[in-house]
Amino acid sequence: DAKTTQPPSMDCAEGRAANLPCNHSTISGNEYVYWYRQIHSQGPQYIIHGLKNNETNEMASLIITEDRKSSTLILPHATLRDTAVYYCIVRPLGSSNTGKLIFGQGTTLQVKP
Amino acid sequence: ETGVTQTPRHLVMGMTNKKSLKCEQHLGHNAMYWYKQSAKKPLELMFVYSLEERVENNSVPSRFSPECPNSSHLFLHLHTLQPEDSALYLCASSPSGSGGPLDTQYFGPGTRLTVL
Repeated sequence: DAKTTQPPSMDCAEGRAANLPCNHSTISGNEYVYWYRQIHSQGPQYIIHGLKNNETNEMASLIITEDRKSSTLILPHATLRDTAVYYCIVRPLGSSNTGKLIFGQGTTLQVKP
Repeated sequence: ETGVTQTPRHLVMGMTNKKSLKCEQHLGHNAMYWYKQSAKKPLELMFVYSLEERVENNSVPSRFSPECPNSSHLFLHLHTLQPEDSALYLCASSPSGSGGPLDTQYFGPGTRLTVL
């Protein structure tokens, strides 16, 4: 089972920041938070991941709370092409887990003009 | 373009047919994965290969048979499928399959399979 909870859907106005929350209250100390997105009928696309520090790349920022029980993915200036299902994944690490990703239902983000 | 390609992109087959899905990665990765995404269901991991050796098989029925001849190619052989096997089949690759923080998975576009 997925170890994360996300709202099923969100809307965002084009050009505004999209803030996607994720709850992972049972996260373990060595588990990373990963974010992927899936545009309709395409393969999932890696966005960003982090352990406990905030992370930023060319696509997004990831803010992880100090207790690590929740995080927020921020798309700073959402465009219509950011409309997708966004998955927050807590990933168990180590060779015994073969790096598996356990996907939940995700958040469907609709960016509106 | 992620560097992972899948062919065909769409496939329609009867229950008695035999077909194969192909995945190729151009990223120099050593691990490859098959996932299944049924309608309105989360992605499910099917198989994991690391250095051409199968390291995980998630209780997948034997009518699905994977093959990894080298670290760049992965096949999924299909025979006597059922209509409920209709789904999007996704291939992914990662640098090592170790599960470490740098072992990010990159996905192909998927094959949309319809079983009649």
